[in-house]
Formats: sequence, structure tokens, C-alpha cells
Amino acid sequence: DAMVIQNPRYQVTQFGKPVTLSCSQTLNHNVMYWYQQKSSQAPKLLFHYYDKDFNNEADTPDNFQSRRPNTSFCFLDIRSPGLGDAAMYLCATSRDRPGGTDTQYFGPGTRLTVL
Amino acid sequence: AQSVTQLGSHVSVSEGALVLLRCNYSSSVPPYLFWYVQYPNQGLQLLLKYTSAATLVKGINGFEAEFKKSETSFHLTKPSAHMSDAAEYFCAVSDPGGGADGLTFGKGTHLIIQP
Repeated sequence: DAMVIQNPRYQVTQFGKPVTLSCSQTLNHNVMYWYQQKSSQAPKLLFHYYDKDFNNEADTPDNFQSRRPNTSFCFLDIRSPGLGDAAMYLCATSRDRPGGTDTQYFGPGTRLTVL
Repeated sequence: AQSVTQLGSHVSVSEGALVLLRCNYSSSVPPYLFWYVQYPNQGLQLLLKYTSAATLVKGINGFEAEFKKSETSFHLTKPSAHMSDAAEYFCAVSDPGGGADGLTFGKGTHLIIQP
């Protein structure tokens, strides 16, 4: 089945220690997104790639970076995690540019704990 | 900027009763609207979406929603609740102007099903 896969499902890191979260897709979609979802809150868009074009949200901290080496994979790098970065990180994909009626398909998420 | 308001962070209904989850949007033009469901420790799954083709939209698992422009609403309903419907429900809006943003989510409504 075509799907969005996130690894690992649970990640524990130490305060200030860089961490990378992984997302892969078999849908061959053009767009990949990263959302941050804190406990009992709505998902918040951090950034997205349309193909190789990177689009950063204005309020995404510089501590968060992303890479998309090919169509299938996208990574979220947190350079110096703080306690406030503990959250569920959701990867999503869509075929077309954001802003239309295209459905976004979500992975199961990676829950990040910062000690 | 667009926004979505979901009235009631928690809604409790009895099994077999009507489910009504409220969503109101704030936008200068009618946006595209989505309802997603999130089960514990999982990603988001699309229930249904409004794309301006029809005001009454039917989705999966017996859910439907009606777009009412005069009320700027897109409430989600299901005639008869099932225990398996217990989950977090998010209303989301997309910019029909083709903006670069992803989805803007409401804060979510936690649906509790009483036996």
C-alpha cells in the first residue's frame, strides 16, 4: 500500500543534542510537509517542500531545518533541542501545491522527548 | 489570515446518539475546508473535504458535513455514534488563492463516546 512512513515513532534526545527525524513516502507526491503538534494542540506547519523548493513558515525557529534529498525522503533536523521542542512531529504529503483542494496524507508521527 | 474555530474542546455523546462537532471559519472568501480524525498516537486521516462542488459532503465512516456560507460554518455530523468514533477531530482550512501555506487547523475536538 502507498503510504507515508516516519521513523522512529518515538525519539528521546538530550537538551541541546542534535536530532534528525525521518519521513519517506511511496505516493510519489510532489509536496512534503512537516508539522509540529504539541500536547492537546493543533498541528502547526513548520515548512514544506514543493519538489526541491523549500518554503519556510515565517515563525518557524531557526533551530529547525529540513532536507529533501530526493522525492521519497524528507528529514527534519533540530539543531539544539530545547524542552519546548518536545512534541509530536507529523510528516504529510500532497500531490499538488498547497492551497487547493488536494488531500494531505499524514504519517503516524514521531513523538520527540527532550530530557 | 485565515482561521478556524472549533467550539468545544471536548464533546461527549452516548453510543447511538447524534454526533455534532462544530467548525466555523474566518476568511474573506469561502475557503476549502477539511475534517481530519486522529486516533491516539497516530497521524491524521481525512474524513471529508469541501471543494465547492456540493455543500453537503459525505465522508468515510458515516460522517458528513454541510458548508453554510451564510453562517461561515462547516459542522461535522454522524447520525449514530459508535464506540470506535472516539478520537480527536480537527477542522482545517486551505487558502483557495493558492497561497504557499499548508493547512490551518482548528484546536481540535475530543469526541468521547459513552457506552
